[in-house]
Amino acid sequence: DTGVSQDPRHKITKRGQNVTFRCDPISEHNRLYWYRQTLGQGPEFLTYFQNEAQLEKSRLLSDRFSAERPKGSFSTLEIQRTEQGDSAMYLCASSLGPREDYEQYFGPGTRLTVT
Amino acid sequence: AQTVTQSQPEMSVQEAETVTLSCTYDTSESNYYLFWYKQPPSRQMILVIRQEAYKQQNATENRFSVNFQKAAKSFSLKISDSQLGDTAMYFCASDHSGGGADGLTFGKGTHLIIQP
Repeated sequence: DTGVSQDPRHKITKRGQNVTFRCDPISEHNRLYWYRQTLGQGPEFLTYFQNEAQLEKSRLLSDRFSAERPKGSFSTLEIQRTEQGDSAMYLCASSLGPREDYEQYFGPGTRLTVT
Repeated sequence: AQTVTQSQPEMSVQEAETVTLSCTYDTSESNYYLFWYKQPPSRQMILVIRQEAYKQQNATENRFSVNFQKAAKSFSLKISDSQLGDTAMYFCASDHSGGGADGLTFGKGTHLIIQP
């Protein structure tokens, strides 16, 4: 069990560019979540996958955001035409479910800076 | 919409003291989970403790315990014998899906500083 990993750890991009982040969950976890965390705030839920199916999307996830989880393994989060307001830490988490003692295991995050 | 409120932006205590972080939440669900997560500086978030709403007994994990008051919708975290390594952001979070079928709702966090 190597934990949840995210790549890249840091990304600096110019406004208007597209960016893509990758998340590798813990191998046996069927659930995967994306969150956004801005400075001084708690994480905000963006979207949730069970296996390859995207089951829930927050209203925070505008049309410029898209997420995929092909074959129920790793996931990608793409932001098109980035804006300065997209600057944040993007966190990925995974879990087993459903189960009584579930918890979400978080990755280290990808810090996005839009200049 | 579910909400989680942490009213203490920052707290500072001396090493070995006991500290309590407060959290209130709002939900219309009967089956839900509550969590405290710890986020050390520049490190990833880890679970401190979990409470299932249907369990009346307060959860404990070594030096960490909760005071879960369901009627008051209150979920405070007590850290006993605080250590320097406890310095971190602490987030209270709720899951109203009944077990991971949705994202967590987080509070804004409490920055806990343990002074030597």
